[in-house]
Amino acid sequence: LAKTTQPISMDSYEGQEVNITCSHNNIATNDYITWYQQFPSQGPRFIIQGYKTKVTNEVASLFIPADRKSSTLSLPRVSLSDTAVYYCLVGDPFGGNTPLVFGKGTRLSVIA
Amino acid sequence: EAGVTQSPTHLIKTRGQQATLRCSPISGHTSVYWYQQALGLGLQFLLWYDEGEERNRGNFPPRFSGRQFPNYSSELNVNALELEDSALYLCASRLTRQNANTGELFFGEGSRLTVL
Repeated sequence: LAKTTQPISMDSYEGQEVNITCSHNNIATNDYITWYQQFPSQGPRFIIQGYKTKVTNEVASLFIPADRKSSTLSLPRVSLSDTAVYYCLVGDPFGGNTPLVFGKGTRLSVIA
Repeated sequence: EAGVTQSPTHLIKTRGQQATLRCSPISGHTSVYWYQQALGLGLQFLLWYDEGEERNRGNFPPRFSGRQFPNYSSELNVNALELEDSALYLCASRLTRQNANTGELFFGEGSRLTVL
């Protein structure tokens, strides 16, 4: 199982760009990197997914270096509503034989 | 389209009792995951079902069990409840490899189990 390491918590002011890095040194060939956001007492929801290089959607960007041993989630101009826990999940999202195991996540607090 | 639904929303039990939690995946999703999330902590992988079969289970005692029905809905059973079983139990579903775009997990809102 590809184990992930993320900072436990981060603080940011509104309007700033936030970058959360995840380390996954033993990522496998079939593994993708997927980020989820979770608000209190709710199930996590998908933010973005990538395999290599850079992926961008309407809410975030995901940067993955060539060796794929780490990845960085970038949230542009955060607002108070972005206060949540962010999970980096590494695994084969389309099947495979290993389950999708979440790491401890990063608790982001956005301050006005 | 209906999302992943879980029932009951809340459940209160006493030590030693048994609890049954249910999950209905999104239509067309055949893979179901169960996670346990204790208050303030991360998601701990419990069970993974795919096409009616248990594919893998996390590091939990045998009193945690479940099954997946032919319609792909799933049930989680916890026997001989202990105080530390109090947690939010989350179910997630996803498409099979052949039909998936991102293979993302779609989560339900969870069942909060309180053991007194």
